[in-house]
Amino acid sequence: QKEVEQNSGPLSVPEGAIASLNCTYSDRGSQSFFWYRQYSGKSPELIMFIYSNGDKEDGRFTAQLNKASQYVSLLIRDSQPSDSATYLCAANTDKLIFGTGTRLQVFP
Amino acid sequence: DAGVIQSPRHEVTEMGQEVTLRCKPISGHDYLFWYRQTMMRGLELLIYFNNNVPIDDSGMPEDRFSAKMPNASFSTLKIQPSEPRDSAVYFCASWAGPSYGYTFGSGTRLTVV
Repeated sequence: QKEVEQNSGPLSVPEGAIASLNCTYSDRGSQSFFWYRQYSGKSPELIMFIYSNGDKEDGRFTAQLNKASQYVSLLIRDSQPSDSATYLCAANTDKLIFGTGTRLQVFP
Repeated sequence: DAGVIQSPRHEVTEMGQEVTLRCKPISGHDYLFWYRQTMMRGLELLIYFNNNVPIDDSGMPEDRFSAKMPNASFSTLKIQPSEPRDSAVYFCASWAGPSYGYTFGSGTRLTVV
């Protein structure tokens, strides 16, 4: 079993909709969780991180963490075509373990 | 800050040749990580250093791979001899610590023919 699991997608949403990206992790010792965005041919870039149960909002992005369920999600409000990318979830113990990513497609 | 700097951006080499990838982390970041990314396996951690000391090399696929960090501003990942299955994008990342995210370099796309 992979340590961090994500649905590979693609997840297709219309412009202006909410995109919901999900991630589960297996190591209960994971302390914090990170979401990265990766455009094709580019390096991953950090969107946000979360380490407490509940929601954390940053602009159009909201990260949600439920440690009891070992579940992390990222919501993108008012999705734009420029949000089309692969979104990587990562769990941190002493290093970041990444999921394989979910490809998001936002169509006009 | 110039960010994490990797070189070369692209490398094409023949099977059996030695390949050396280079990385300069962000100044002041105590951790440096080498990852490999492929379509099939995603981002895989190869090795990481803390204060120039290798901490975990369990992800290094085999003895053909080696990594060094002779000082706080430079690291190398070497593959000798290279094989076609080593073809991937190799990322270096540096980290200020557990409360922060990584900053990735732009990656080296390695093709072994």
